[in-house]
Amino acid sequence: QSVLTQPPSVSAAPGQKVTISCSGSTSNIGNNYVSWYQQLPGTAPKLLIYENNKRPSGIPDRFSGSKSGTSATLGITGLQTGDEADYYCGTWDSSLSAVLFGGGTKVTVL
Amino acid sequence: EVQLVESGGGLVQPGGSLRVSCAASGFSLSDHYIDWVRQAPGKGLEWVGRSRNKANGYTTEYAASVKGRFTISRDASKNSLYLQMNSLKTEDTAVYYCARDTPRVGTSTSGMDVWGQGTTVTVSS
Repeated sequence: QSVLTQPPSVSAAPGQKVTISCSGSTSNIGNNYVSWYQQLPGTAPKLLIYENNKRPSGIPDRFSGSKSGTSATLGITGLQTGDEADYYCGTWDSSLSAVLFGGGTKVTVL
Repeated sequence: EVQLVESGGGLVQPGGSLRVSCAASGFSLSDHYIDWVRQAPGKGLEWVGRSRNKANGYTTEYAASVKGRFTISRDASKNSLYLQMNSLKTEDTAVYYCARDTPRVGTSTSGMDVWGQGTTVTVSS
């Protein structure tokens, strides 16, 4: 069981919006930057959001990140079939001196 | 082109050893933190360990599950980084990725912006 808690799955119709939560504690999310990764089937993870809410070059603004206290959220608007993937949150844990990942959330486009 | 390429994966018996490599191109490894992340078949991402950059003395951290068995090292002349895995267990079977992170001064992570394609390690008799 992961220290960072994500819902196992979320789904929505094309064009709709989904949000993925990532819950932690003060030693990790509460005091460190959160990043989000997309992993398409059979491929390496790809950075979607860094430093809580910033998008790397080339990531569309349909993807957004936010953080409040010990929780973070990834939002995907205008859902497309190509967005079907596993999504992971990640951060540093200052008590464990370790990188943590959430358990992953599978996004399904209905 | 900025990229990381892993190599050296394979089949090894329980209790055996293996060294996997991570070669960088398009940038200098010494300026960045490098993390090893693994993914067991059908499972999520699991952090294995980290090598900080030259400015932070190339210090390392390891996950509890591999501490004492795995060691990260660097070869600056080859712009490469290595993960030496000893006393391997069946539960170490996974795809191993190396990834780049460049935390701001005073922080511990920004986000892993460059990932390799992964190398597969299978521990089985």
